[in-house]
Amino acid sequence: NAGVTQTPKFQVLKTGQSMTLQCAQDMNHEYMSWYRQDPGMGLRLIHYSVGAGITDQGEVPNGYNVSRSTTEDFPLRLLSAAPSQTSVYFCASRDGTDPTYEQYFGPGTRLTVT
Amino acid sequence: GENVEQHPSTLSVQEGDSAVIKCTYSDSASNYFPWYKQELGKRPQLIIDIRSNVGEKKDQRIAVTLNKTAKHFSLHITETQPEDSAVYFCAARYSSYKLIFGSGTRLLVRP
Repeated sequence: NAGVTQTPKFQVLKTGQSMTLQCAQDMNHEYMSWYRQDPGMGLRLIHYSVGAGITDQGEVPNGYNVSRSTTEDFPLRLLSAAPSQTSVYFCASRDGTDPTYEQYFGPGTRLTVT
Repeated sequence: GENVEQHPSTLSVQEGDSAVIKCTYSDSASNYFPWYKQELGKRPQLIIDIRSNVGEKKDQRIAVTLNKTAKHFSLHITETQPEDSAVYFCAARYSSYKLIFGSGTRLLVRP
């Protein structure tokens, strides 16, 4: 098993550009989520999905869109990048929807918006 | 609101000493509290967790305690080693789906 994978590892965008961060898992996990990590702010939940076709907002959803067309994939779209979105983005998945299931993180994507 | 406060933000200890990191949560309904360790440049990984039906849980040099009345929980690392140096995150279960994280503690163990 590859576990949770993310691409790209690094990305530089100009303000106003759009892009999609890819996330995939091969563990047949129901639940997938996106976090952003900023210094002194910890891991903040952006969006999550409890199954294919079902998504919902987390703590900081503005400026991001998600979709879940398959169990394996959960892409994160930045519609119009802003410098405030400079961050490290982590995708995570777990076997069950309840948070008591162990959560597995991907390796992260470091995004810089200039 | 959905909030987890974590202190301190940085902690420096001598090798062999103990380290304690504290977190508080706001929702009395929260019943699950995991701790994650993130080494430099790596992804966060679960190291220990505790549920609200127990007050303490140990795993070798790591222990977590929970005080439901005060709504706080703590991570204790004894006999610290240089490889314990990392960022540690606490988290709390909010609602049926959400895991909310604290702001992180950077632990440095000096040889």
